[in-house]
Amino acid sequence: EDQVTQSPEALRLQEGESSSLNCSYTVSGLRGLFWYRQDPGKGPEFLFTLYSAGEEKEKERLKATLTKKESFLHITAPKPEDSATYLCAVQTSNTGFQKLVFGTGTRLLVSP
Amino acid sequence: DTEVTQTPKHLVMGMTNKKSLKCEQHMGHRAMYWYKQKAKKPPELMFVYSYEKLSINESVPSRFSPECPNSSLLNLHLHALQPEDSALYLCASSQGTGWEQYFGPGTRLTVT
Repeated sequence: EDQVTQSPEALRLQEGESSSLNCSYTVSGLRGLFWYRQDPGKGPEFLFTLYSAGEEKEKERLKATLTKKESFLHITAPKPEDSATYLCAVQTSNTGFQKLVFGTGTRLLVSP
Repeated sequence: DTEVTQTPKHLVMGMTNKKSLKCEQHMGHRAMYWYKQKAKKPPELMFVYSYEKLSINESVPSRFSPECPNSSLLNLHLHALQPEDSALYLCASSQGTGWEQYFGPGTRLTVT
């Protein structure tokens, strides 16, 4: 069975304190890995798609990387507005191209 | 423009009521999705429409009935819901299955 595990479950940072969030996956055939940001009571906001090991994507203070077993979301010099839950999700050959399997998320709180 | 709109934002309904949730996108996407999200949990897929045809139904109870009138619209008809159906209902769309999904803001549903 395909599994996606995110760690840590919660992370508290001071403004400017860089860190990384982890998404490890056990799947039969990765088709794509997606990162989303979700604010409380709102829909997830698409951030990145990664398709193959070694791939990297960047957007402002965020950088996503992918290996054969895990993905990292690096946050450089975070600001309070980066506080949110970060979700990763995978599409695999098991699920076909239609279903995202989500991890349980990392709740990030950045204090000023 | 990557906007998916959902109405209403909030809905309170009794267990004997019939109501509908609506979703609209104007990005030319050909796949649309309904998800259910409980507090502090990741979204769970309910239905997938691809080219206006239902292609995935994740064993959702028949009190939830999806409808895709055209490629831009997606409805979720609700009837005889239970209190445990209270959740955030999210609509998403993608260029096709296998592409990144863009989520709407959600409808917060409370069943009394």
